[in-house]
Amino acid sequence: NAGVTQTPKFRVLKTGQSMTLLCAQDMNHEYMYWYRQDPGMGLRLIHYSVGEGTTAKGEVPDGYNVSRLKKQNFLLGLESAAPSQTSVYFCASSYVVRTASRIDGYTFGSGTRLTVV
Amino acid sequence: SQQGEEDPQALSIQEGENATMNCSYKTSINNLQWYRQNSGRGLVHLILIRSNEREKHSGRLRVTLDTSKKSSSLLITASRAADTASYFCATDVRSNDYKLSFGAGTTVTVRA
Repeated sequence: NAGVTQTPKFRVLKTGQSMTLLCAQDMNHEYMYWYRQDPGMGLRLIHYSVGEGTTAKGEVPDGYNVSRLKKQNFLLGLESAAPSQTSVYFCASSYVVRTASRIDGYTFGSGTRLTVV
Repeated sequence: SQQGEEDPQALSIQEGENATMNCSYKTSINNLQWYRQNSGRGLVHLILIRSNEREKHSGRLRVTLDTSKKSSSLLITASRAADTASYFCATDVRSNDYKLSFGAGTTVTVRA
């Protein structure tokens, strides 16, 4: 059982380049999330998705776009990378207990370390 | 802004000692969760405590929740070198958004 898989694991971009980070989960979770982690700041939510074909903005969405064409995949795109986007990016997925209005524990991927020069 | 804040930011203890870290949050929650992150890895879910629970145990982990003070604590008993990691609290805020808000974490170092 793979859980949540992120690709690539490492990437170096030049300012202005674009790239797409892929997240895939095999747990049939409806909810998927993209967070960025910077030193001393914990995890900040970029975008999230509550189901196939839906996306929503999180705390720090500027400069990023997302798509969820298939339930198992959640893509994070950087159209024009900036040095401020140097970070470690984590994808997570979760099962939501709607009848109890709560989230169960997240399953995280191993992260993508992105450097923009 | 972040919902949860951990205290202390860093903690260094001897193997066999207990480690305690605290989390304070700002708004009402459905549940509070604790995660561990080993260096260079993703976060791993440790334990979830619901808003109507006051204490929960899982192996060497003990979590308490005080909703009146909007705070939680994580106790790791009889620490081991393998417990060296960063620990994060995350809150499921009462809303329809179903997303977690994470604190900045406590870095725990267990000395052999």
